[in-house]
Amino acid sequence: DTGVSQNPRHKITKRGQNVTFRCDPISEHNRLYWYRQTLGQGPEFLTYFQNEAQLEKSRLLSDRFSAERPKGSFSTLEIQRTEQGDSAMYLCASSLDRGRYNEQFFGPGTRLTVL
Amino acid sequence: DAKTTQPPSMDCAEGRAANLPCNHSTISGNEYVYWYRQIHSQGPQYIIHGLKNNETNEMASLIITEDRKSSTLILPHATLRDTAVYYCIVRDGGSQGNLIFGKGTKLSVKP
Repeated sequence: DTGVSQNPRHKITKRGQNVTFRCDPISEHNRLYWYRQTLGQGPEFLTYFQNEAQLEKSRLLSDRFSAERPKGSFSTLEIQRTEQGDSAMYLCASSLDRGRYNEQFFGPGTRLTVL
Repeated sequence: DAKTTQPPSMDCAEGRAANLPCNHSTISGNEYVYWYRQIHSQGPQYIIHGLKNNETNEMASLIITEDRKSSTLILPHATLRDTAVYYCIVRDGGSQGNLIFGKGTKLSVKP
């Protein structure tokens, strides 16, 4: 078990460019979550998937953001036309649906800096 | 919004017990109390959760008051590696969705 992995770990881009992040969850986990964290704040929920279905999206997920999980395994988060306000740590988590509660395992995050 | 209130920061001497409080006065009957922590530059890490009984695992103990309006996370012998932000989260036991984080408590363990 290698845990949740995210790539890249750091991304620096210019305003207006598109960026894509990848998350590889723990292999048997059917749920995958994306969060965003800005300096001094706790993580904020963006969206989550059960298998390949995107079940919930936060109002934070503007139309410039899109997330996919095409085969129910890895997921990508794309931000189009980046803005300086998008600078943050983007965290991915995964969990196994056990019906009653689920412990979420987090990856190390991708730190995005928009210049 | 987060349903919990935590002090913004606490200090603890290495080797002593760290007791981190959390208020959740509006908790409902089917909501669990979860604790996660986040060490600098890492993703959050699950610690423990409970409903109404006290819980203990290899990392920590969770003490929930009888009225369930507050709880305390106890790290019995804090080490320098326990320096982190600790988040107390209240969540519906039947919910399969997201976690709602507040700002947490920054615990500094000092030698």
